Amino acid sequence: DIQLTQSPSSLSASAGDSVTITCRPSQPVDKYLNWYQQKPGKAPNILISATSILQSGVPSRFSARGSGAYFILTISSLQPEDFATYYCQQSYSTPHTFGPGTRVDMK
Amino acid sequence: QVRLQESGPGLVKPSQTVSLTCAVSGGSINNSRHHWSWLRQEPGKGLEWIGHIYSTGATYYNPSLQSRVTISVDTSKSHFSLTLSSVTVADSAVYYCATDERFGAMDVWGQGTTVTVSS
Repeated sequence: DIQLTQSPSSLSASAGDSVTITCRPSQPVDKYLNWYQQKPGKAPNILISATSILQSGVPSRFSARGSGAYFILTISSLQPEDFATYYCQQSYSTPHTFGPGTRVDMK
Repeated sequence: QVRLQESGPGLVKPSQTVSLTCAVSGGSINNSRHHWSWLRQEPGKGLEWIGHIYSTGATYYNPSLQSRVTISVDTSKSHFSLTLSSVTVADSAVYYCATDERFGAMDVWGQGTTVTVSS
């Protein structure tokens, strides 16, 4: 199985801050790295697919980049509704594993 | 836009088999571009991919659960199902169905159904 390491595991930030979350697969996953946001009691919501494709309806303050075995999700100008947990997921090979998550909460 | 809705028994006794169903609406379950997936999330924990099924019927399972899991599709009822056998307390979780169309990125999710394993 491909293991995904996310950093940090949690962070505290203020509205308006820019935050960066990294995801490192244990082996290269080509471009098949996706990002999800999950709020308490809700299903995850896809933000970014295939490394950098912003999903329809997702604000442009979300962006992502990377390749192979190093990926980054950036949220510029954090908004109150962005406080949530973020997961990376690889869909390069089965099982399609997830990172352990990064919790973003309000400072 | 495809919509998904899970259903299940809620409470299951240890060693029993649990069956969950995901109803698909707003699109065809026969659409070859979709993979139909099951995932779960234990309380306060991360996401675990259980497996998925293609419209061809081909299935792929997480090796950690493979011996106990079956995913199937019923095209006549436009739903797909998860069967998990020999459940234990460790299988207590919120179970989600989801689908992806491109790159394996799951862009539509059900709201989740809670399974509690308890005697």
